[in-house]
Amino acid sequence: GQQLNQSPQSMFIQEGEDVSMNCTSSSIFNTWLWYKQDPGEGPVLLIALYKAGELTSNGRLTAQFGITRKDSFLNISASIPSDVGIYFCAGQLYTDKLIFGTGTRLQVFP
Amino acid sequence: DAGVIQSPRHEVTEMGQEVTLRCKPISGHNSLFWYRQTMMRGLELLIYFNNNVPIDDSGMPEDRFSAKMPNASFSTLKIQPSEPRDSAVYFCASSLSLGDLIRNTIYFGEGSWLTVV
Repeated sequence: GQQLNQSPQSMFIQEGEDVSMNCTSSSIFNTWLWYKQDPGEGPVLLIALYKAGELTSNGRLTAQFGITRKDSFLNISASIPSDVGIYFCAGQLYTDKLIFGTGTRLQVFP
Repeated sequence: DAGVIQSPRHEVTEMGQEVTLRCKPISGHNSLFWYRQTMMRGLELLIYFNNNVPIDDSGMPEDRFSAKMPNASFSTLKIQPSEPRDSAVYFCASSLSLGDLIRNTIYFGEGSWLTVV
C-alpha cells in the first residue's frame, strides 16, 4: 500500500541533543499527524497539523506542515531517555484513509 | 475511560492453525481500523469499518485474512490458515467517526503480537 517516506530511518543521539526528522509524500495532504510508539505499545498521537505552513508545539516537540502540503517535520529539543521509541508521521487527504510513514527509530543514550 | 482493548496480547501458534484476534473499540466510536506492523513494511492498514460496515478491505493481504464487526463494540480479525510470514503486530484502532481528522483522532490499542512457527 501507499506509504510516506520518513528520514532518517533511525537515530542514535545523546541525552540533551536536539532531534529533527521529516516526512515526504508524492501527493498532497490536508492533515499531517505525528505519532510516537513506545516499545511494546501502540502509537499515540503527539501533534496534529491542519493547515499548510502551520507550526505547532507540544512541550519540547515542534512540528510543521510544509507549504507544498507534501511534507512535514518534527523536532524534539533537549532529548531525554523517555523520548526513545518509533516516531511515525501520517497524512490524510480530506476523508481518505490515514497513510502512515515508515517510521524513525530514536535511541537516546544518557 | 478505557481505551481500545485487544486480545490476545501475545500469541504463538503453529503454521496452519487458525488465529483469531479480537478488538473492543472505545465506546461511542463508530470507525474501527485493523493495522499490521512489521519491520519490513511498517504500519499497513488492512481494513476499516464505519458503523460496523467494511468500507475498504484493499489492504487485506489475501483470502486467508478475514475481518468482521458484528456490532459496535466488537471486531475480529481471523487468519486461516496461518503462515510464518503472518508474524507481526496487529493493531486495532478506533475513531469517533470516519472522516476529517480535525474532529476525529484515531486511538490505537496496545496490539496483538503474533508469532507463527
